[in-house]
Amino acid sequence: EDQVTQSPEALRLQEGESSSLNCSYTVSGLRGLFWYRQDPGKGPEFLFTLYSAGEEKEKERLKATLTKKESFLHITAPKPEDSATYLCAVRGNYGQNFVFGPGTRLSVLP
Amino acid sequence: DSGVTQTPKHLITATGQRVTLRCSPRSGDLSVYWYQQSLDQGLQFLIQYYNGEERAKGNILERFSAQQFPDLHSELNLSSLELGDSALYFCASSVWTGETDTQYFGPGTRLTVL
Repeated sequence: EDQVTQSPEALRLQEGESSSLNCSYTVSGLRGLFWYRQDPGKGPEFLFTLYSAGEEKEKERLKATLTKKESFLHITAPKPEDSATYLCAVRGNYGQNFVFGPGTRLSVLP
Repeated sequence: DSGVTQTPKHLITATGQRVTLRCSPRSGDLSVYWYQQSLDQGLQFLIQYYNGEERAKGNILERFSAQQFPDLHSELNLSSLELGDSALYFCASSVWTGETDTQYFGPGTRLTVL
């Protein structure tokens, strides 16, 4: 059974204080690992898709990396507007549905 | 804006009632997924449709059902509602990117059962 865990559950950063969020997964043949951002009461917003170990993708202050067992979302010099819940999901070769992790709730203080 | 639309935005109803949530996928997307997100809970996959056919089922209750119409819009029907059904319900549609399919989510419908 495909599984996704995320750590930490919650993270508080000062503005400009860089950090990383972790997503650990077990899946039968990875077809894609996905990062989303979700603001309270809103739908998840797509950030990145990663396909294979060693792949990296960047968008503004965010950089996602992938290994065979985990993915990291690195946040460089975060701003208060980066505050949100960040969700990780995987899609395996044999599953028809996506499996989401519980998310990391990020707060960036000014 | 993801291009996925959901109506209504908010729904308040009483226990025992039945409601219908509607979703229109992004133009060209054939797959529609439904998720439930309760307070402080993660996204729970309910059901997937692909081009009108049911493709996958998650932890969907027997009181819930869904369908996808020829124009590809989808409806999620919730009946005999209970207090515990209060949640955000999201629809997502997916597009094949050559290696996998990426889901794009709608803004959600907030259901409150009183």
